[in-house]
Amino acid sequence: EVQLVESGGGLVQPGGSLRLSCAASGFTFSSYAMSWVRQAPGKGLEWVSVICGSNNSTYYANSVKGRFTISRDNSKNTLFLQMNSLGAEDTALYYCAKGVSSSCYAGCDHWGQGTLVTVSS
Amino acid sequence: DIVMTQSPDSLAVSLGERATINCKSSQSVLYSSNNKNYLGWYQQKPGQPPKLLIYWASTRESGVPDRFSGSGSGTDFTLTISSLQAEDVAVYYCQQYYSIPFTFGPGTKVDIK
Repeated sequence: EVQLVESGGGLVQPGGSLRLSCAASGFTFSSYAMSWVRQAPGKGLEWVSVICGSNNSTYYANSVKGRFTISRDNSKNTLFLQMNSLGAEDTALYYCAKGVSSSCYAGCDHWGQGTLVTVSS
Repeated sequence: DIVMTQSPDSLAVSLGERATINCKSSQSVLYSSNNKNYLGWYQQKPGQPPKLLIYWASTRESGVPDRFSGSGSGTDFTLTISSLQAEDVAVYYCQQYYSIPFTFGPGTKVDIK
């Protein structure tokens, strides 16, 4: 059974940093693209970033480019999102999601429960 | 960036009746080399993460009831629930994964009339 468990969220001051983690199990982690998608309270889904399973290429939403870094540790089956220079607009529930294949250009077939990031002074 | 729009914003349908949700992309998401539409549909129930229903615009994900179907090509897509059940109350999102940044539609809320 595929499981994705996010952690690392919390309350952070504007301008601060956080590192989110997503522990994956139940599938061959290195063979799949992995994504981060966020949802601000009461709002819709916003795609944040993806890392491909084939070549570890990474891509970002314009709103986080230069501030967020996605990475993966295939030996530990873990996905990361390093978030710097956080602002109030980054307050959201952050979901980790598994791609349907190694390609970044595909949907996500399994999602974690999310970890909440709150940026406030 | 490709902008995704959905209509209606919300709809209420009687149990057993058909629900139709439309999704439009600001540019084509059809990749000519493989004739695939890079478009997916997700269902999100309150307090839950999204669930993939449809990918490649019309391929039903494993385990998804066959009352859910996707259609369309290019820039115009439709998600149809052929016979609405109580457990289908949710917000439905389309997403294009044709070009970076991948983008979601704003969502359509489906309720029981």
